[in-house]
Amino acid sequence: AQSVTQLDSQVPVFEEAPVELRCNYSSSVSVYLFWYVQYPNQGLQLLLKYLSGSTLVESINGFEAEFNKSQTSFHLRKPSVHISDTAEYFCAVSSTGTASKLTFGTGTRLQVTL
Amino acid sequence: EPEVTQTPSHQVTQMGQEVILRCVPISNHLYFYWYRQILGQKVEFLVSFYNNEISEKSEIFDDQFSVERPDGSNFTLKIRSTKLEDSAMYFCASRGQGFGYTFGSGTRLTVV
Repeated sequence: AQSVTQLDSQVPVFEEAPVELRCNYSSSVSVYLFWYVQYPNQGLQLLLKYLSGSTLVESINGFEAEFNKSQTSFHLRKPSVHISDTAEYFCAVSSTGTASKLTFGTGTRLQVTL
Repeated sequence: EPEVTQTPSHQVTQMGQEVILRCVPISNHLYFYWYRQILGQKVEFLVSFYNNEISEKSEIFDDQFSVERPDGSNFTLKIRSTKLEDSAMYFCASRGQGFGYTFGSGTRLTVV
């Protein structure tokens, strides 16, 4: 079984400041890692994922995350946030098995202000 | 870009009534899932479905719940006798051979 810990329930940050949203996972098997974003009253949108290869993965809107196997972490970063980045961010993990499900963390609310 | 479509977007039902939530997954996807999110809480796994059968289910997915893929395109979640605590956002997801899980925009179920 897998589990995900997002220690920060809320992260307030000023516009154009950098941000890091923390994610740690636990698993006895190999995993794939994901970040999803949920804007108010909307569904879950995939932000980025790590399946294999380079441990640094990037999204099209400037976010990046680095898979660190030794620290079992997959923190999400952005060097300069915008007001429009205000949303709930969920880290998720799946095993590499055939019909694997996603297991989500409790989410981090990113609140960007002027 | 292909989408997962869920209907209805919002359903209000009386306690004890049956509800069916509908999903149209991406056409060439093979794996199908239902998740729920109680207001303000985490997204919880309910059930996964592959090759016309349930491959895994959570403790939440008790005898009141069932899933079906009746016609090769729709994927439904039925709750036989709704309880107040079933009020939540229900998300359908699908994926192909890769690990690109695509979620629908959800059905908000309100049990009164």
